[in-house]
Amino acid sequence: AQSVSQHNHHVILSEAASLELGCNYSYGGTVNLFWYVQYPGQHLQLLLKYFSGDPLVKGIKGFEAEFIKSKFSFNLRKPSVQWSDTAEYFCAVTPTGGFKTIFGAGTRLFVKA
Amino acid sequence: ETGVTQTPRHLVMGMTNKKSLKCEQHLGHNAMYWYKQSAKKPLELMFVYNFKEQTENNSVPSRFSPECPNSSHLFLHLHTLQPEDSALYLCASSQETDDNSPLHFGNGTRLTVT
Repeated sequence: AQSVSQHNHHVILSEAASLELGCNYSYGGTVNLFWYVQYPGQHLQLLLKYFSGDPLVKGIKGFEAEFIKSKFSFNLRKPSVQWSDTAEYFCAVTPTGGFKTIFGAGTRLFVKA
Repeated sequence: ETGVTQTPRHLVMGMTNKKSLKCEQHLGHNAMYWYKQSAKKPLELMFVYNFKEQTENNSVPSRFSPECPNSSHLFLHLHTLQPEDSALYLCASSQETDDNSPLHFGNGTRLTVT
């Protein structure tokens, strides 16, 4: 069965620290990849997406993610986090040609000021 | 402002009650979705509608009944729920049900079944 695994459920960082959130998926075919973010009290919203081309994609607020096909991974990174990055981050995968987006369980990030 | 509005924001109901969740999208999208978000679990896709036609029922119990009268509105009718159905129910929309369209979510309805 298709699944998405996020390695950490909770991450605590100090401001200016670097961030990397792991995401791995299990699916044998081609996929489209997403990271969504949910800030406290707000709705889930798109952070960035990968469909094709350059495997390093840049999103809003300085976030980026790298698709490594051989590792079935799509890790999210940010060189220097801010207190306002405190949120829950969800990795999601949609098989190419399909509509069933599969989500990971989410990673709660808390950034200490 | 999300463009996807869900009501009510909170709902408490007994196991014998009948209630409905409402979702409306103002984005001109053609596809709408219901997801269930439980603590420490991945979002679970429940139903997908594309141009008002249901295209996915992800093995959801019949006590959940969706209705999509048009591309802008989506309902989830609830009856004889169980306490384990307590969760955050999220509505989402996308341009179409293809893989390139990201999902736009509402704020959700927090459901508690007593």
